Order: sequence, then structure tokens, then C-alpha cells
Amino acid sequence: GAVVSQHPSWVICKSGTSVKIECRSLDFQATTMFWYRQFPKQSLMLMATSNEGSKATYEQGVEKDKFLINHASLTLSTLTVTSAHPEDSSFYICSAIRAPGGPYEQYFGPGTRLTVT
Amino acid sequence: GENVEQHPSTLSVQEGDSAVIKCTYSDSASNYFPWYKQELGKRPQLIIDIRSNVGEKKDQRIAVTLNKTAKHFSLHITETQPEDSAVYFCAASIRRALTFGSGTRLQVQP
Repeated sequence: GAVVSQHPSWVICKSGTSVKIECRSLDFQATTMFWYRQFPKQSLMLMATSNEGSKATYEQGVEKDKFLINHASLTLSTLTVTSAHPEDSSFYICSAIRAPGGPYEQYFGPGTRLTVT
Repeated sequence: GENVEQHPSTLSVQEGDSAVIKCTYSDSASNYFPWYKQELGKRPQLIIDIRSNVGEKKDQRIAVTLNKTAKHFSLHITETQPEDSAVYFCAASIRRALTFGSGTRLQVQP
């Protein structure tokens, strides 16, 4: 159990366009999901915390108008990269936890490789 | 916010030797410390974790120690095997959001 999927697994888009990435918890309800970004040979950096039914909390330095996060249901969170630029090219990974007060473990999705040309 | 430092950045050992990776954290409110193994292009895999009320935890060849007073924790891998070669990340958690260390590339030479 505790499977998290992401779609798409990779995407190439042109500069100036928008891209939506989906993160789904397949066999559990996730009241909280997290979005991370990982540049090549670097660590994972938390971008935002997404709570079902409320606005996402963004980390310092992350533009909330550029990285739109929606957590509309207990099993789905989406990240939309708006007006993408080459510097947004990265590996985007989501994670989910089962419920507040439950186990601490985060379950990671397989990641989405975004390339902006 | 939380800051996690990880050393060394690269570690090369001979098969069968032990490997130790160390991390320090800044926020004494952190209460959960997982370790992840990540292979190229893949998701991080949890290999062991420890809560702040525990000083040591072991799972077969892998162990983690936590010193809350000094705010540091370490990963110990014994009897290393070539398949242990990967990038390892430590992390610290406050209210569930994870702050990751910078990573250690472990190479186990056969």
C-alpha cells in the first residue's frame, strides 16, 4: 500500500507555455501533499505544502503565481508551471502523507522530468 | 527555517567495508529524521528513519544514531555491497515538511 503516482513522467514544452503535473495517492487519502524540485546533481528542495481544500503554503523564494498548486481532493494535487522558461527545467517530485497525526513517513511519487526549450 | 548539512559529499569504500554519513540540523524542534537512497532519475527510497525520542535504530546492515543535544544524526552501513552505490540524503522534519541535506554519493568498489 501507500502508492503515489505522477503524470506525466516526462514532458517537453516550449518557453512561455504552461504545464500541469498531477500527483495522485492511489490507495490512501492524503490530506497533505508536498511538492519538491530537484536540479541535476542537487538535493530536493521543498517548493510548497498542499493541503486538501485550502491554499498551498509556498516556501520562501518560490513564486506562487508561477507555480500554481491545487489540492482539490484527498487523492489529487496538481502543480501547474505557468509561462515556463528554460530555468524551470527540473525534476519535480511530489510526496504525500496519510493523515495528520498519523505516521510521519512521506510517500514519494516517481517524479516528472520537465524540459523547457 | 531548518537547515541540514550533510558530509561527506562523496564517499568511496571497498566492498565489505563500512560507510558513515553524517548530518547536522539547526532547528531543535525537528522531530523526525529519515534517510533516503536515490538512484539516478528515480524517486527517493526510505531506507531507515528515527524519531526524536529514540537515540539509535538498526535494520540489518543499516543503522542510524541521533544526538539531540548536538543536533546531529548519522547513517551507518556495514558490510557494504556494490548495490549500495547510490546517492544518500538525510532529512529533518518539522510539522512533516522535509528539509534535505545536500546528498552523499556512495561508491562501493567491488
